[in-house]
Amino acid sequence: NAGVMQNPRHLVRRRGQEARLRCSPMKGHSHVYWYRQLPEEGLKFMVYLQKENIIDESGMPKERFSAEFPKEGPSILRIQQVVRGDSAAYFCASSPDLAGGRTDTQYFGPGTRLTVL
Amino acid sequence: LAKTTQPISMDSYEGQEVNITCSHNNIATNDYITWYQQFPSQGPRFIIQGYKTKVTNEVASLFIPADRKSSTLSLPRVSLSDTAVYYCLVGSLMDSSYKLIFGSGTRLLVRP
Repeated sequence: NAGVMQNPRHLVRRRGQEARLRCSPMKGHSHVYWYRQLPEEGLKFMVYLQKENIIDESGMPKERFSAEFPKEGPSILRIQQVVRGDSAAYFCASSPDLAGGRTDTQYFGPGTRLTVL
Repeated sequence: LAKTTQPISMDSYEGQEVNITCSHNNIATNDYITWYQQFPSQGPRFIIQGYKTKVTNEVASLFIPADRKSSTLSLPRVSLSDTAVYYCLVGSLMDSSYKLIFGSGTRLLVRP
């Protein structure tokens, strides 16, 4: 069973460009989470999605950032008009459905390291 | 979600047992305790999860006292490859949004 896949692993963008980060959850998982990690810090929650729905985006910046998890295909984290402060590692995690509305352990991908020049 | 406190760093030697303690004084009744391990340039890896008393798997043991205000991750006979950052998290599995809150973690250095 393949783990969580993220691509690209490394992404370089110039200020003002768009960055698209992709995440394919583990097989059978319908919950996707995005986190951001700055050097020497812990991960910070950004957004939680299920298929075609954003459940919790309380950690997303109000502008320039968006996320989707379409019915078919990977989850996408999009950053428009990137700035140097967006440089970070972005991790995706997924978890399976459980009965009774419970969620479960999150399994993380290898991350995408975004560098903004 | 409960805030956690853990040591910033720890040093150990190969073959020793390492115990990392995490404080979570405001843990709620529905909260579970989960530990993750992160190597440089990799995503966090789930190690162990528990609610009370003791949990053991092939990698580690987790000790949780009756008041659940702290927990201890125990790594038996560490090797150099156990050098990593270890995160203690608490959160409810009953929420519709299980939002993991990571602190700064504990940097474990295992020396030869």
